[in-house]
Amino acid sequence: DTAVSQTPKYLVTQMGNDKSIKCEQNLGHDTMYWYKQDSKKFLKIMFSYNNKELIINETVPNRFSPKSPDKAHLNLHINSLELGDSAVYFCASSHSAGGSKLFFGSGTQLSVL
Amino acid sequence: DQQVKQNSPSLSVQEGRISILNCDYTNSMFDYFLWYKKYPAEGPTFLISISSIKDKNEDGRFTVFLNKSAKHLSLHIVPSQPGDSAVYFCAAARDQTGANNLFFGTGTRLTVIP
Repeated sequence: DTAVSQTPKYLVTQMGNDKSIKCEQNLGHDTMYWYKQDSKKFLKIMFSYNNKELIINETVPNRFSPKSPDKAHLNLHINSLELGDSAVYFCASSHSAGGSKLFFGSGTQLSVL
Repeated sequence: DQQVKQNSPSLSVQEGRISILNCDYTNSMFDYFLWYKKYPAEGPTFLISISSIKDKNEDGRFTVFLNKSAKHLSLHIVPSQPGDSAVYFCAAARDQTGANNLFFGTGTRLTVIP
């Protein structure tokens, strides 16, 4: 059983489209995250979310929005996709008490044409 | 603003020898350090961590050393095995309690040659 699973693994789309990436964790963790790994290989946090609080990295454009139907899911919606959004997006989760130890999904390679 | 740096993008080591991966950081407020390992087409997985109250933490073949005065940490793998071939990310946080302030380096690709 995959602990943190995200779909799709690959996503190719045109500029201007709206797309979603889904993430689910079966670890019973109470905090979930979205990370972006850009072309320079930097892994940067975009959002963290538990059932109490959404924390947004201030550098993330508001075209990106997390949606959490329940504490096991944190989906990422992206509106009006731009070329610069091409990257690998990783979902992750953790216990809030041991927060820095993250469990990552396998990533979604997004290519915007 | 790159607060965690891994200046060697790649490293090749013979099987059985020691692998030493290095990491430097700039923020003196960092108090907790982690190494993650990443195989192709997979997400990073936690490997080992160290708190600033220690200068060494060991887990089997993996040892992390921390030099706070130099703002430097290193990961030693002894003996190196072909299955260790992966990208290793160093990460740093101001404390252990949250990943919101977790900063990653750009990774070092380790290749262990059989």
